[in-house]
Amino acid sequence: QKEVEQDPGPLSVPEGAIVSLNCTYSNSAFQYFMWYRQYSRKGPELLMYTYSSGNKEDGRFTAQVDKSSKYISLFIRDSQPSDSATYLCAMKETSGSRLTFGEGTQLTVNP
Amino acid sequence: EAGVAQSPRYKIIEKRQSVAFWCNPISGHATLYWYQQILGQGPKLLIQFQNNGVVDDSQLPKDRFSAERLKGVDSTLKIQPAKLEDSAVYLCASRTGPTNTEAFFGQGTRLTVV
Repeated sequence: QKEVEQDPGPLSVPEGAIVSLNCTYSNSAFQYFMWYRQYSRKGPELLMYTYSSGNKEDGRFTAQVDKSSKYISLFIRDSQPSDSATYLCAMKETSGSRLTFGEGTQLTVNP
Repeated sequence: EAGVAQSPRYKIIEKRQSVAFWCNPISGHATLYWYQQILGQGPKLLIQFQNNGVVDDSQLPKDRFSAERLKGVDSTLKIQPAKLEDSAVYLCASRTGPTNTEAFFGQGTRLTVV
């Protein structure tokens, strides 16, 4: 079993839609939860960062962590064509700095 | 601030050949990572350096992969000999320290083994 499972997609939505991206994990030691965005032929860039459980909002993006269910989500409101990318969830234990990534969800927002 | 620099951007080699990738992290970043990203998958850590010392190489196929960071700045990753399944994007990332928040990624080197 993989430590981090991510909805494979691909996901295609119309412009303005609300997008929900999700990951589940099995390692209860994960305490830091991140979402990276990766445009085609580019390296991943950090989008959102959350420690432990709770919600975090940044503009059109909201990250949610439910440690009791080992489930994290990223919501994108009013999605734009420029949001078209692959979204990777990543997680880290408190000790150490290894990031464990999900497989990534490819999102396309159609104008 | 300059980002993480990697070269070459693309490389095509035949199986059993050797190849080397180079990474120059962001200035002052002590922690450096090499990740392998196979098409359609998330990045997988190959090796982590703290300055010029190896912190984690548990997922590095040491029979064919090697990496070094001699002066604690630039790093090279080598594959010798390459196999078809090594076709992937090799990403270098750096952060200021081992536990702070953000790791910055380079654009990667896309390796195709034929």
